[in-house]
Amino acid sequence: AQRVTQPEKLLSVFKGAPVELKCNYSYSGSPELFWYVQYSRQRLQLLLRHISRESIKGFTADLNKGETSFHLKKPFAQEEDSAMYYCALTGNTGKLIFGQGTTLQVKP
Amino acid sequence: DAGVIQSPRHEVTEMGQEVTLRCKPISGHDYLFWYRQTMMRGLELLIYFNNNVPIDDSGMPEDRFSAKMPNASFSTLKIQPSEPRDSAVYFCASSFDLSTGRESYEQYFGPGTRLTVT
Repeated sequence: AQRVTQPEKLLSVFKGAPVELKCNYSYSGSPELFWYVQYSRQRLQLLLRHISRESIKGFTADLNKGETSFHLKKPFAQEEDSAMYYCALTGNTGKLIFGQGTTLQVKP
Repeated sequence: DAGVIQSPRHEVTEMGQEVTLRCKPISGHDYLFWYRQTMMRGLELLIYFNNNVPIDDSGMPEDRFSAKMPNASFSTLKIQPSEPRDSAVYFCASSFDLSTGRESYEQYFGPGTRLTVT
Protein backbone atom coordinates (compact mmCIF):
# COMPACT_ATOMS: atom_id res chain seq x y z
CA ALA A 1 0.00 0.00 0.00
CA GLN A 2 1.14 3.54 -0.70
CA ARG A 3 1.51 5.47 2.51
CA VAL A 4 3.35 8.40 4.03
CA THR A 5 3.94 8.46 7.77
CA GLN A 6 4.91 11.48 9.80
CA PRO A 7 5.19 10.14 13.33
CA GLU A 8 5.18 13.48 15.14
CA LYS A 9 2.09 15.69 15.20
CA LEU A 10 3.99 18.43 17.01
CA LEU A 11 7.67 19.25 17.23
CA SER A 12 8.69 22.06 19.53
CA VAL A 13 12.24 23.45 19.57
CA PHE A 14 14.02 26.58 20.66
CA LYS A 15 15.36 29.11 18.19
CA GLY A 16 18.82 28.11 17.03
CA ALA A 17 18.33 24.42 17.78
CA PRO A 18 18.58 21.78 15.04
CA VAL A 19 15.35 20.48 13.55
CA GLU A 20 14.50 17.13 12.01
CA LEU A 21 10.99 16.37 10.83
CA LYS A 22 10.59 12.70 10.14
CA CYS A 23 8.92 11.17 7.11
CA ASN A 24 8.75 7.51 6.17
CA TYR A 25 7.02 6.14 3.13
CA SER A 26 5.75 2.92 1.69
CA TYR A 27 5.73 2.59 -2.09
CA SER A 28 6.53 -0.30 -4.38
CA GLY A 29 8.11 1.66 -7.22
CA SER A 30 10.24 4.79 -7.49
CA PRO A 31 8.27 7.65 -5.97
CA GLU A 32 8.84 11.36 -6.21
CA LEU A 33 9.01 12.88 -2.70
CA PHE A 34 8.08 16.38 -1.61
CA TRP A 35 7.93 18.55 1.46
CA TYR A 36 5.15 21.15 1.53
CA VAL A 37 4.85 23.91 4.11
CA GLN A 38 1.77 25.77 5.28
CA TYR A 39 2.28 28.95 7.28
CA SER A 40 -0.56 30.11 9.48
CA ARG A 41 -3.77 30.43 7.45
CA GLN A 42 -1.92 30.41 4.13
CA ARG A 43 -1.97 28.05 1.18
CA LEU A 44 0.30 25.04 1.00
CA GLN A 45 3.47 25.75 -0.89
CA LEU A 46 6.23 23.51 -2.09
CA LEU A 47 9.33 23.63 0.07
CA LEU A 48 11.48 20.87 -1.40
CA ARG A 49 11.37 18.02 -3.87
CA HIS A 50 13.92 15.25 -3.79
CA ILE A 51 14.74 15.38 -7.48
CA SER A 52 16.01 18.96 -7.12
CA ARG A 53 18.50 18.17 -4.36
CA GLU A 54 18.42 21.80 -3.27
CA SER A 55 18.38 23.67 0.03
CA ILE A 56 15.46 26.04 0.56
CA LYS A 57 15.34 28.44 3.54
CA GLY A 58 18.13 26.37 5.07
CA PHE A 59 16.15 23.13 4.88
CA THR A 60 17.43 19.98 3.22
CA ALA A 61 15.98 16.52 2.77
CA ASP A 62 17.71 13.40 1.52
CA LEU A 63 15.87 10.46 0.09
CA ASN A 64 17.06 7.26 1.78
CA LYS A 65 15.67 4.39 -0.27
CA GLY A 66 17.07 1.76 2.08
CA GLU A 67 15.21 3.20 5.05
CA THR A 68 12.35 4.55 2.90
CA SER A 69 12.71 7.90 4.57
CA PHE A 70 12.78 11.52 3.49
CA HIS A 71 13.47 13.44 6.69
CA LEU A 72 13.53 17.25 6.60
CA LYS A 73 16.41 18.91 8.40
CA LYS A 74 17.63 22.36 9.32
CA PRO A 75 20.70 22.99 11.45
CA PHE A 76 19.45 26.16 13.17
CA ALA A 77 15.71 26.77 13.52
CA GLN A 78 14.27 30.27 13.19
CA GLU A 79 10.99 31.55 14.61
CA GLU A 80 9.68 32.15 11.10
CA ASP A 81 10.01 28.41 10.43
CA SER A 82 6.99 27.80 12.66
CA ALA A 83 4.42 26.18 10.39
CA MET A 84 2.76 22.92 9.42
CA TYR A 85 4.95 20.65 7.30
CA TYR A 86 3.60 17.91 5.07
CA CYS A 87 5.60 15.13 3.48
CA ALA A 88 4.08 13.75 0.27
CA LEU A 89 4.83 11.28 -2.46
CA THR A 90 3.61 10.58 -5.94
CA GLY A 91 4.18 7.67 -8.27
CA ASN A 92 3.30 7.82 -11.91
CA THR A 93 -0.32 8.85 -11.54
CA GLY A 94 0.12 12.51 -10.63
CA LYS A 95 -1.79 11.92 -7.41
CA LEU A 96 -0.04 13.12 -4.23
CA ILE A 97 -0.29 11.08 -1.06
CA PHE A 98 0.22 13.26 1.99
CA GLY A 99 1.33 12.41 5.48
CA GLN A 100 -0.68 13.66 8.44
CA GLY A 101 1.55 16.69 8.86
CA THR A 102 3.84 17.89 11.63
CA THR A 103 3.43 21.24 13.32
CA LEU A 104 6.79 22.82 13.97
CA GLN A 105 6.84 25.32 16.79
CA VAL A 106 10.03 27.36 17.20
CA LYS A 107 10.17 29.11 20.54
CA PRO A 108 12.20 32.28 21.12
CA ASP B 1 0.09 34.03 -13.54
CA ALA B 2 -2.14 34.59 -10.49
CA GLY B 3 -1.81 30.99 -9.46
CA VAL B 4 -4.72 28.76 -8.56
CA ILE B 5 -7.78 30.85 -7.75
CA GLN B 6 -10.54 29.74 -5.43
CA SER B 7 -13.82 31.36 -4.49
CA PRO B 8 -15.30 32.15 -2.14
CA ARG B 9 -12.52 32.44 0.43
CA HIS B 10 -14.97 32.05 3.28
CA GLU B 11 -18.43 30.53 3.31
CA VAL B 12 -20.80 30.31 6.23
CA THR B 13 -24.03 28.44 5.64
CA GLU B 14 -26.75 26.66 7.52
CA MET B 15 -27.14 22.93 7.64
CA GLY B 16 -29.15 21.64 4.73
CA GLN B 17 -28.12 24.37 2.30
CA GLU B 18 -26.30 23.76 -0.94
CA VAL B 19 -22.69 24.94 -1.10
CA THR B 20 -20.68 25.42 -4.28
CA LEU B 21 -16.93 25.97 -4.21
CA ARG B 22 -15.10 27.16 -7.30
CA CYS B 23 -11.59 26.73 -8.62
CA LYS B 24 -9.62 28.10 -11.54
CA PRO B 25 -6.40 26.13 -12.11
CA ILE B 26 -3.19 27.52 -13.51
CA SER B 27 -3.45 27.87 -17.26
CA GLY B 28 -1.88 24.93 -19.06
CA HIS B 29 -2.10 22.52 -16.16
CA ASP B 30 -3.61 19.14 -16.93
CA TYR B 31 -4.42 17.91 -13.44
CA LEU B 32 -6.84 19.39 -10.91
CA PHE B 33 -7.25 18.16 -7.36
CA TRP B 34 -9.74 18.87 -4.58
CA TYR B 35 -8.61 18.40 -0.98
CA ARG B 36 -10.24 18.83 2.40
CA GLN B 37 -8.24 19.83 5.46
CA THR B 38 -9.40 19.38 9.04
CA MET B 39 -7.58 19.29 12.36
CA MET B 40 -8.66 15.71 12.98
CA ARG B 41 -7.93 14.17 9.58
CA GLY B 42 -5.30 16.44 8.05
CA LEU B 43 -5.29 16.72 4.26
CA GLU B 44 -7.58 14.37 2.40
CA LEU B 45 -7.75 14.03 -1.37
CA LEU B 46 -11.39 14.10 -2.41
CA ILE B 47 -11.20 13.80 -6.20
CA TYR B 48 -8.88 14.58 -9.07
CA PHE B 49 -9.23 15.24 -12.78
CA ASN B 50 -6.89 14.78 -15.71
CA ASN B 51 -7.74 16.72 -18.85
CA ASN B 52 -11.17 17.52 -17.35
CA VAL B 53 -12.00 13.85 -16.79
CA PRO B 54 -12.50 12.57 -13.21
CA ILE B 55 -9.86 9.93 -12.55
CA ASP B 56 -10.29 9.02 -8.90
CA ASP B 57 -13.22 10.06 -6.73
CA SER B 58 -12.69 7.44 -4.04
CA GLY B 59 -12.05 10.16 -1.49
CA MET B 60 -15.43 11.80 -1.91
CA PRO B 61 -17.06 11.13 1.44
CA GLU B 62 -20.68 10.72 0.42
CA ASP B 63 -23.17 11.19 -2.36
CA ARG B 64 -23.78 14.63 -0.97
CA PHE B 65 -20.46 15.64 -2.55
CA SER B 66 -20.07 16.09 -6.28
CA ALA B 67 -17.42 17.70 -8.47
CA LYS B 68 -17.35 18.80 -12.07
CA MET B 69 -14.81 20.17 -14.48
CA PRO B 70 -16.69 21.46 -17.52
CA ASN B 71 -13.55 22.90 -19.11
CA ALA B 72 -9.82 23.22 -18.54
CA SER B 73 -10.12 26.48 -16.64
CA PHE B 74 -12.92 25.81 -14.16
CA SER B 75 -14.04 23.27 -11.60
CA THR B 76 -16.70 23.14 -8.92
CA LEU B 77 -17.15 21.12 -5.76
CA LYS B 78 -20.72 20.98 -4.57
CA ILE B 79 -22.13 19.81 -1.25
CA GLN B 80 -25.87 19.23 -1.13
CA PRO B 81 -27.19 19.17 1.53
CA SER B 82 -24.42 20.50 3.74
CA GLU B 83 -23.87 19.27 7.30
CA PRO B 84 -21.86 20.69 10.24
CA ARG B 85 -19.27 17.91 9.85
CA ASP B 86 -18.45 19.28 6.40
CA SER B 87 -16.88 22.32 8.05
CA ALA B 88 -13.27 22.41 6.87
CA VAL B 89 -10.87 24.20 4.57
CA TYR B 90 -11.21 23.00 0.99
CA PHE B 91 -8.17 23.36 -1.23
CA CYS B 92 -7.90 23.11 -4.97
CA ALA B 93 -4.55 22.33 -6.60
CA SER B 94 -3.30 21.87 -10.15
CA SER B 95 -0.25 20.39 -11.81
CA PHE B 96 1.30 19.45 -15.12
CA ASP B 97 1.10 16.13 -16.86
CA LEU B 98 4.53 14.53 -17.21
CA SER B 99 3.67 13.64 -20.79
CA THR B 100 4.05 17.33 -21.57
CA GLY B 101 7.73 16.99 -20.87
CA ARG B 102 7.71 18.38 -17.35
CA GLU B 103 9.97 16.69 -14.87
CA SER B 104 7.84 16.91 -11.76
CA TYR B 105 4.34 16.29 -10.49
CA GLU B 106 4.63 19.29 -8.16
CA GLN B 107 1.18 20.56 -7.24
CA TYR B 108 0.28 24.24 -6.89
CA PHE B 109 -2.34 25.02 -4.30
CA GLY B 110 -5.00 27.68 -4.13
CA PRO B 111 -5.64 29.75 -1.00
CA GLY B 112 -8.50 27.52 0.11
CA THR B 113 -12.15 28.06 0.99
CA ARG B 114 -12.95 28.01 4.69
CA LEU B 115 -16.41 26.47 4.99
CA THR B 116 -18.44 26.70 8.17
CA VAL B 117 -21.76 24.88 8.34
CA THR B 118 -23.88 25.80 11.35
